[in-house]
Amino acid sequence: TQLLEQSPQFLSIQEGENLTVYCNSSSVFSSLQWYRQEPGEGPVLLVTVVTGGEVKKLKRLTFQFGDARKDSSLHITAAQPGDTGLYLCAGPGGAGGTSYGKLTFGQGTILTVHP
Amino acid sequence: KAGVTQTPRYLIKTRGQQVTLSCSPISGHRSVSWYQQTPGQGLQFLFEYFSETQRNKGNFPGRFSGRQFSNSRSEMNVSTLELGDSALYLCASAQGQVTGELFFGEGSRLTVL
Repeated sequence: TQLLEQSPQFLSIQEGENLTVYCNSSSVFSSLQWYRQEPGEGPVLLVTVVTGGEVKKLKRLTFQFGDARKDSSLHITAAQPGDTGLYLCAGPGGAGGTSYGKLTFGQGTILTVHP
Repeated sequence: KAGVTQTPRYLIKTRGQQVTLSCSPISGHRSVSWYQQTPGQGLQFLFEYFSETQRNKGNFPGRFSGRQFSNSRSEMNVSTLELGDSALYLCASAQGQVTGELFFGEGSRLTVL
């Protein structure tokens, strides 16, 4: 069974601060995805990382996939109240790393950014 | 393009009852997945359907079942409800690739009393 561990579980910061969320596994993933979920809504995909060592930027968000494809990180620069939400990492959860609609999700990081 | 639509959004049932949840995927998407989200267990995969066929199944008891219709709409059913079935049930649609992006609906929040 492939598991994804996220840390920290909770993060409460002030507007303007930087933060990093980590997603780790003992298994190799062919790709990892990051989703953000706001209260009352379903998760929305932020990014997919595929290549070991890959870095992707989405405005103030920077995503990195570990060289060994076992871990990923999400870094937010100058956080804003609008960044508040549940951040989830996810990877293909089927046997052999393939899946049909099946993602294994981390437990999530609840981020609160105070104005 | 309309998003994934789930109905009902909220429902309350009592133990022993059954419930049916509905999901209409994004037009053109043939894959529909179902997930259960709880504070303790997070998001857990229930099953996935593509062209009316179940292609993948998670580790849930047989009380959880689903089906997909020819128009790609999907339903999931939970029979003999237990208190622990209280959760947000999320439906996600995709074009059907192995590891493509999932588009989630807003979910159906089930409370079992």
